[in-house]
Formats: sequence, C-alpha cells, structure tokens
Amino acid sequence: DARVTQTPRDKVTEMGQEVTMRCQPILGHNTVFWYRQTMMQGLELLAYFRNRAPLDDSGMPKDRFSAEMPDATLATLKIQPSEPRDSAVYFCASSAEPGNTEAFFGQGTRLTVV
Amino acid sequence: SQQGEEDPQALSIQEGENATMNCSYKTSINNLQWYRQNSGRGLVHLILIRSNEREKHSGRLRVTLDTSKKSSSLLITASRAADTASYFCATDRGGGFKTIFGAGTRLFVKA
Repeated sequence: DARVTQTPRDKVTEMGQEVTMRCQPILGHNTVFWYRQTMMQGLELLAYFRNRAPLDDSGMPKDRFSAEMPDATLATLKIQPSEPRDSAVYFCASSAEPGNTEAFFGQGTRLTVV
Repeated sequence: SQQGEEDPQALSIQEGENATMNCSYKTSINNLQWYRQNSGRGLVHLILIRSNEREKHSGRLRVTLDTSKKSSSLLITASRAADTASYFCATDRGGGFKTIFGAGTRLFVKA
C-alpha cells in the first residue's frame, strides 16, 4: 500500500527552536510538494522539487525556512528559528507526473509554536 | 495568490440530496483536479479533468469544465453523511509543475 509518510504527526515547540519535518514520498514519484494549511490562508504551496532539484520555493519565507531532498526517499522542511505564526499543518505530497496525475498527500505534521 | 476559488464556502444538505460545488480560476490550465479532505487529514484525489474535456464521471461524482468561463463544478449525487468533508479544486497553472489549491468548500451532509 504505497503512501506518503510524514513525521512527526504532531510537534509542539517553543518559539525560537528549530523544527524539522520529514517526508518519505512514494517510491518512484519524482515530484515532491510542501504545503502549509491554516484557517486564514488555506493551502499554500511552499516549495516543490522535481527529481530532487528545487524548482520553486517562492512560497517559502527564505529567512527561516529551508527545504531539501537529501535523497529520493527523503524530503525535509526546516524552520529555524520558529515563530508562533508558523503554527499550521504542513503537508507533503508526491506525484509521478505533476499536473497530469494526482498528488498523493501525507497525513501532515501539525506544528504548534508557543 | 491562490489560483482557484470555490463557491460556496460552506454547504449544508440532507442525506440523499445532490451537492454542487463550483470552482473558478484565473489563468489558463492544462488540467483541473478535485480533492477531498476529511477533518485533520491529508487530501485525497477524487478526479482529474483535462482542458480538452468538458465532463467526467466517477461513481457518484460528476465534474464539468468550462475553459471559456474558467470554471468547473463538482456534483455529488445522492449524498451520504460520509461525504461530509472539505472539497478543493486544484489547477496546474497552464502546464507548470505547480499544483495550486483553492480555498475549498466545506460540505456537511445531515443524516
């Protein structure tokens, strides 16, 4: 049963701490998306990778956010330092042929920064 | 800014009734997709319609696409309480790899 796996599911951290969220895309999918979901902003595209290369991270605050794909089985989203306004649910999704096929979503990481 | 905007924002119906949700978008697209999200969970793909298609069916779902009006609709027939969820349209912005989501319609089906 192929699925996108995200860890951790929930994270509570203090303001100023570093947060790292991890995503294991579906094997064989060459495109990975990071989204952030809040009540106010809805689903925002933060960044996406194709064949491990970052194609667009314009949706991401550059000063504190960074996204990487160290290898084809792992994508990371890091926030340093974290702020209360970063509290949201962060979703990773992967796709075999973006735009032409569906994106498969992980269950998300619910981040609370206090 | 988001590409798609769903209408209505929220919809409450009785079980057995049909539910219609609309999506409007701003730029040209190659494909439009509809997703469903149960509270607190990841999104699940429902259906994809290509820009050269006008209508598509999948079970109780019917999707239409009008590229001249830059709009799409999702019809759920004979709704069930289990259809209670948020529904999002997503577009590819004319062939790029980005998949951009609208604000979603929250559907509540009363048993």
